[in-house]
Amino acid sequence: AQSVAQPEDQVNVAEGNPLTVKCTYSVSGNPYLFWYVQYPNRGLQFLLKYITGDNLVKGSYGFEAEFNKSQTSFHLKKPSALVSDSALYFCAVNGPGGFKTIFGAGTRLFVKA
Amino acid sequence: DAGITQSPRHKVTETGTPVTLRCHQTENHRYMYWYRQDPGHGLRLIHYSYGVKDTDKGEVSDGYSVSRSKTEDFLLTLESATSSQTSVYFCAISGSGRAEVDEQYFGPGTRLTVT
Repeated sequence: AQSVAQPEDQVNVAEGNPLTVKCTYSVSGNPYLFWYVQYPNRGLQFLLKYITGDNLVKGSYGFEAEFNKSQTSFHLKKPSALVSDSALYFCAVNGPGGFKTIFGAGTRLFVKA
Repeated sequence: DAGITQSPRHKVTETGTPVTLRCHQTENHRYMYWYRQDPGHGLRLIHYSYGVKDTDKGEVSDGYSVSRSKTEDFLLTLESATSSQTSVYFCAISGSGRAEVDEQYFGPGTRLTVT
């Protein structure tokens, strides 16, 4: 069965510092991995995805994520955090032939000025 | 935002009453999904559709039914609402080809309270 773990409920960083939001996954076969962001009282917005190829994936708003097959991880990163990055971040995974995307519980990111 | 609307945006209903939530898209996407969002659980898939009149269950489908009679509309019905169905409901769409590799686009959500 597919599963996603986001081990941190909350991440706090200072503006201008690098940020990392962690995600590990379990899936049979090749994983298809996604990051979404949810701003207050809004729906989710797609940030980036890994399907195949280069392990470093670049996405919207300066975010990137690194796929690590041996560690079954897909951590979200940004070199320099902005206060406006404060939001709820979800990691998600799909397996081959699957419609049933599994989402992590979410990590709340607070960026302090 | 992608062309996805949900109605109503807010609803309060009583236990035991039926409730229907509507998702409407203008993107002509093939796949549509209903999720519920609850604290500590992230998003959980209720039902999905892979075409007109083609639907299937997700991980938390008990107590819910869906219908899709047109490409643009996906209805979620709570047959007899219970307090455990108090949640925020999101519709999503995707649809260029293979569902498992496509990102999803989400509607604004419906906040449902069952008293």
